[in-house]
Amino acid sequence: GNSVTQMEGPVTLSEEAFLTINCTYTATGYPSLFWYVQYPGEGLQLLLKATKADDKGSNKGFEATYRKETTSFHLEKGSVQVSDSAVYFCALSPYQGAQKLVFGQGTRLTINP
Amino acid sequence: EAGVTQSPTHLIKTRGQQVTLRCSPISGHTSVYWYQQALGLGLQFLLWYDEGEERNRGNFPPRFSGRQFPNYSSELNVNALELEDSALYLCASSLRLAVTDTQYFGPGTRLTVL
Repeated sequence: GNSVTQMEGPVTLSEEAFLTINCTYTATGYPSLFWYVQYPGEGLQLLLKATKADDKGSNKGFEATYRKETTSFHLEKGSVQVSDSAVYFCALSPYQGAQKLVFGQGTRLTINP
Repeated sequence: EAGVTQSPTHLIKTRGQQVTLRCSPISGHTSVYWYQQALGLGLQFLLWYDEGEERNRGNFPPRFSGRQFPNYSSELNVNALELEDSALYLCASSLRLAVTDTQYFGPGTRLTVL
């Protein structure tokens, strides 16, 4: 079946620290991969995506590379800010067409000034 | 461009009641998805509608149902509410035929069942 596993949270970092949130997946076929962010009291916002192997998604200083050989899509940012505090969800879409998203359990990130 | 909108924002119901949640997709989007975000359970796929038809359904009982209207807006109905139905219900929309296939989410409706 299709599943996504994210690193356990919560994660607490100091401002300007380097961030990595691990995400690995299991899927049949060739899924599309996504990172969504949920700020307190809000819905989900798309952060970045990648639709095929070796693609790198990037947005707002965040990056993630679609690694088929390790079935991973780790989220990284070189220097985090307090405003990055949120819950981050890794997700996959099992097919290239619009289908249901399968989400990881989410990782709560807190950045201290 | 307006994003996905949902109403109401918050809702409080009692066990056994019925509830209807509403969603308006981004203009031009034909697919609407519903997800449940219950505390401790993460985000679970509920339903997918496209062009007025139910296309896929998650592992939820039949008392969860919905429909999509000709203008592509959608309703989610939950009958015989149970305490564990308390959750944030998120609606998303996408261009079904688009290469990118990205789902864009609304702010959600928070349902509390007492």
